[in-house]
This record gives sequence, structure tokens and C-alpha cells, in this order.
Amino acid sequence: EIVMTQSPLSLPVTPGQPASISCKSSQSLLHSDGKTYLYWYLQKAGQPPQLLIYEVSNRFSGVPDRVSGSGSGTDFTLKISRVEAEDVGVYYCLQMLDLPTFGQGTKVEIK
Amino acid sequence: QVQMVQSGAQVKKPGASVMVSCKASGYRFTTFSITWIRQAPGQGLAWMGWISAYNGATNYAPNLQGRVTMTTDTSTSTAYMELRSLRSDDTAMYYCTRGGQLGYDYWGQGTLVTVSS
Repeated sequence: EIVMTQSPLSLPVTPGQPASISCKSSQSLLHSDGKTYLYWYLQKAGQPPQLLIYEVSNRFSGVPDRVSGSGSGTDFTLKISRVEAEDVGVYYCLQMLDLPTFGQGTKVEIK
Repeated sequence: QVQMVQSGAQVKKPGASVMVSCKASGYRFTTFSITWIRQAPGQGLAWMGWISAYNGATNYAPNLQGRVTMTTDTSTSTAYMELRSLRSDDTAMYYCTRGGQLGYDYWGQGTLVTVSS
């Protein structure tokens, strides 16, 4: 099983300031097809998770460009350039190279 | 627009079975897979398994093998997840989600299953 480790687990943020979440996998997520199967989700209170980023750095439809993903191999980062109130929730990374596994989640809240 | 609509909350006794449905609309059902993911109260997300809506092929999480069955009815664009021999630690929100080239892009609203004597 590929283990996904996120940090921090809690992230108080000031509106307008940047935020960054790290996700590390226990093995490389690079497939032989050249794709890296790393995804980011946001789960707002009382809602199902929503897809933000697919294959490391591709924004899903409707995701604002202040949200970005980067990384390679085993180290990945989700960045929000300027946090807004609507960004509050729990962020999860997900690997789909093998049987899918999620990170523990990072709770983002407004200071 | 794509929608995944799940059946309502259920309360079950330990040892019983539960079936949750997920009706898809807004796309060709057989061109995507359906994945089931659950979330225990206050906990993270756990992948349960996957079914191809094209040919019915399945792949289940090892810890659920023998207790879970996923099926689809292509005539109604509906997916089903049955979990048997329920235990208290099966109490969770159960989500269906569409799987494709973008990962899990559209999700159902969730179905709360409570296992309690």
C-alpha cells in the first residue's frame, strides 16, 4: 500500500495571504505511461469532496487560478496564492498509481 | 450537467447488510467507472472499490473482500454497493464518485449508514 503523508494537519490562514500544503508518498507516483497519478481534493463542511487538481498540476473545471499544484516523484505541494473565506475546509491528496489511498487531510481555517 | 444522486440514510443492526444506490445522469453511464469511498465520523477518506460500468469488472479494497459487492444496472444508469456482516466500525458516510481520466470528478451527496444495536 502506498502511504500518503500530508503536512501540516492544521493550517490557520489569514485572508489574502498564501497557503501551502505538502503531500509525500511512500513511493514514486510516476507511471510508465509518463503520467503522475496525484490528485487534490477539498472537502467543505457537510459536503462531499470536490476535485481541485488532477495529475499533479491540472486544475479541474471551475477551480480558480490562485489554486495550483506542483511536484514530482514522491513530493507534491498544493498552493493557494491568496486565501479567501471559500477556501476553508479539509484538503486531501490522493494517489491513484496503485490501489487508491488518501492523505490524512489538512484542515484549513481562517485565523 | 453530471449528477450522482444517492439513496437515503439507513440504520442497520450489527450483522445485517446494507445496499446503497447511486443514480448517474448527464453523461453516458458506460463510459466511466464508479468508485465507492467511505468516511467514518470525523475521519478521513477510505477507498472501498471500483466497478466498470462498461463491463462490470470490479476491484475491492483488501480489507473489504468477501463483505462488499458492487454492481451496476446500465438500463437505469444506477450503481449499487452492498456491504454485509455490518459492524459498528462500518458506520460512515458512503460516497459514490465517477472515475475517469481526471480521477474522481463528480461525487454523490453521500449516504449515512449507521450500524447500531
